[in-house]
Amino acid sequence: EAQVTQNPRYLITVTGKKLTVTCSQNMNHEYMSWYRQDPGLGLRQIYYSMNVEVTDKGDVPEGYKVSRKEKRNFPLILESPSPNQTSLYFCASSPRQENYGYTFGSGTRLTVV
Amino acid sequence: QKEVEQNSGPLSVPEGAIASLNCTYSDRGSQSFFWYRQYSGKSPELIMFIYSNGDKEDGRFTAQLNKASQYVSLLIRDSQPSDSATYLCAVYGGSQGNLIFGKGTKLSVKP
Repeated sequence: EAQVTQNPRYLITVTGKKLTVTCSQNMNHEYMSWYRQDPGLGLRQIYYSMNVEVTDKGDVPEGYKVSRKEKRNFPLILESPSPNQTSLYFCASSPRQENYGYTFGSGTRLTVV
Repeated sequence: QKEVEQNSGPLSVPEGAIASLNCTYSDRGSQSFFWYRQYSGKSPELIMFIYSNGDKEDGRFTAQLNKASQYVSLLIRDSQPSDSATYLCAVYGGSQGNLIFGKGTKLSVKP
């Protein structure tokens, strides 16, 4: 089944403890992206990647890191999480064709205490 | 900063009616436009895209684009309670990977 898989689905952590949310897609898509969704603020893009080793900032990149060493994987790294990073995170992927849009993973609900 | 604006709603329509969802965008150079549906607690799901002025129909859904007015809309005919969800409008920003979303309109279809 063609899909975007992110793990974990739920995560509770403490302030300052480094964490990684994994994302993998099996559709051979060139583009991958991370979004966060917050009530009243909608979906906001954190980072996106156009291909292996090529990434760019979205609208809210502060406090996050990403890497794209393989085409299928695009992990999101929080080096020192803070409570304001408590959110619902979505990974997404898209082929290079412009009119395809992103396919989203199931989401990761992160709570930082 | 490119922007996508939507009325947050909630928009309430009776079952069987036409639901009309609207979106405006700030970048006159935008070419491709998407409508996503998101059920509560679920991930966004692509339901329509449009890139030419005019209407595009897919089943009960019709997307309408007016580039001169920088306006895109989604019509849902014969609305069903299962259509109750938040509808997100999205537009490419500076590059294909940079897909910018509006805050969404919550639709409620009453039986």
